[in-house]
Amino acid sequence: QVQLQESGPGLVKPSGTLSLTCAVSGGSVTSSHWWSWVRQAPGKRPEWIGEIFHSGSTNYKPSLKSRVAILLDKSSNQVFLKLTSVTAADTAVYYCARVRLSGSSKVFDHWGQGTLVTVSS
Amino acid sequence: EIQMTQSPSSLSASVGDRVTITCRAGQGIANYLNWFQQKPGKAPKLLIYDASTLESGVPSRFSGSGSGTDFTLTINSLQPEDFATYYCQQSYSTPGGGFIFGPGTKVDI
Repeated sequence: QVQLQESGPGLVKPSGTLSLTCAVSGGSVTSSHWWSWVRQAPGKRPEWIGEIFHSGSTNYKPSLKSRVAILLDKSSNQVFLKLTSVTAADTAVYYCARVRLSGSSKVFDHWGQGTLVTVSS
Repeated sequence: EIQMTQSPSSLSASVGDRVTITCRAGQGIANYLNWFQQKPGKAPKLLIYDASTLESGVPSRFSGSGSGTDFTLTINSLQPEDFATYYCQQSYSTPGGGFIFGPGTKVDI
């Protein structure tokens, strides 16, 4: 059973860079799955940030595209999120999720437990 | 960006009740609609994908229906562990349009 575990600083200063790691176990990041980051601000709906495939292909939410990068390391079986120029609006619980293909659609079938990141000075 | 709405935003129910939650897309999304359950402090959990396909391991009291713009999640015989917030998510206009979630429906006692 695949498991995902997010980690990273819980506090980031405004204008700084948010950097998170998602460690994947029980499966490989080189499998036929996409790997996504999703965040959820307190009391709000989840918001998709972006995704990556092991080929290096990425897709990002248009409104975040200028500030976000998602990377993948096959040797450590990890997925990374970097979000630059953060503000208080980026305060949220950040989740990584495995995305499988179902025909022509994508399904978020496994999630990490999430990590809270607060943007504050 | 395709907007997603849900109704009601919250509802009160009792164990054994049948509960129906509606999700509407701002434009037709065929059957590219997923349902998630989320409990406080936990990650969303996939219940239904492609509008009506039950995810493996999910109890059969959960069912989904709909196509185009209008979708429904039904929980038959509500159980104590079903009290949670439910989100719909469209996967039609991806990746450019993102995987947009609905605002959620909180089911409580």
